[in-house]
Amino acid sequence: EAGVVQSPRYKIIEKKQPVAFWCNPISGHNTLYWYRQNLGQGPELLIRYENEEAVDDSQLPKDRFSAERLKGVDSTLKIQPAELGDSAVYLCASSLIAPGMRAFFGQGTRLTVV
Amino acid sequence: KQEVTQIPAALSVPEGENLVLNCSFTDSAIYNLQWFRQDPGKGLTSLLLIQSSQREQTSGRLNASLDKSSGRSTLYIAASQPGDSATYLCAVKEGGSEKLVFGKGTKLTVNP
Repeated sequence: EAGVVQSPRYKIIEKKQPVAFWCNPISGHNTLYWYRQNLGQGPELLIRYENEEAVDDSQLPKDRFSAERLKGVDSTLKIQPAELGDSAVYLCASSLIAPGMRAFFGQGTRLTVV
Repeated sequence: KQEVTQIPAALSVPEGENLVLNCSFTDSAIYNLQWFRQDPGKGLTSLLLIQSSQREQTSGRLNASLDKSSGRSTLYIAASQPGDSATYLCAVKEGGSEKLVFGKGTKLTVNP
């Protein structure tokens, strides 16, 4: 079974430029998460989808961040314009909606804003 | 607001030693608790998941316990090996949502 696939693995951009990350969750998983992980910290939730609906985006900086999940499968996370403080690892995870189901994470995208 | 704390932040042990990693959380209304491993530059790998109604789970040399009423979990690693070197993160799934709240992790180094 294929795991959660993210691309790109690494991205270096200049500040004020746009950037987009892509995530393909495990087939059949209806819950998709985007997390941001700063160096030496635990992941922090940006947005959670149930199917194609964003059910928790309270921590997404909506002035510059946007996300979508078309047809309840793949998802993209966009930053425009990027700031120096956005440098972090962006992690995508998926699971089934059920209390006992594990969340599975992708390899992450390491973003460096210079 | 749920807060998850992991102690210690870093741990260095000789190979073969048994060790315990600690995780505490402030709100006991959780669905489950999950332990993850993260290697440098990599994503998170799920190790063990304990349901809120369970007390412990075991997988190979790993044993995780949960005391929901006191807001604590421990991850016990038996006979540690250099390949166990990684950062270990615990996360709780909040009751009433599917949100995972993470601790900052414990960086483990097992020396040959």
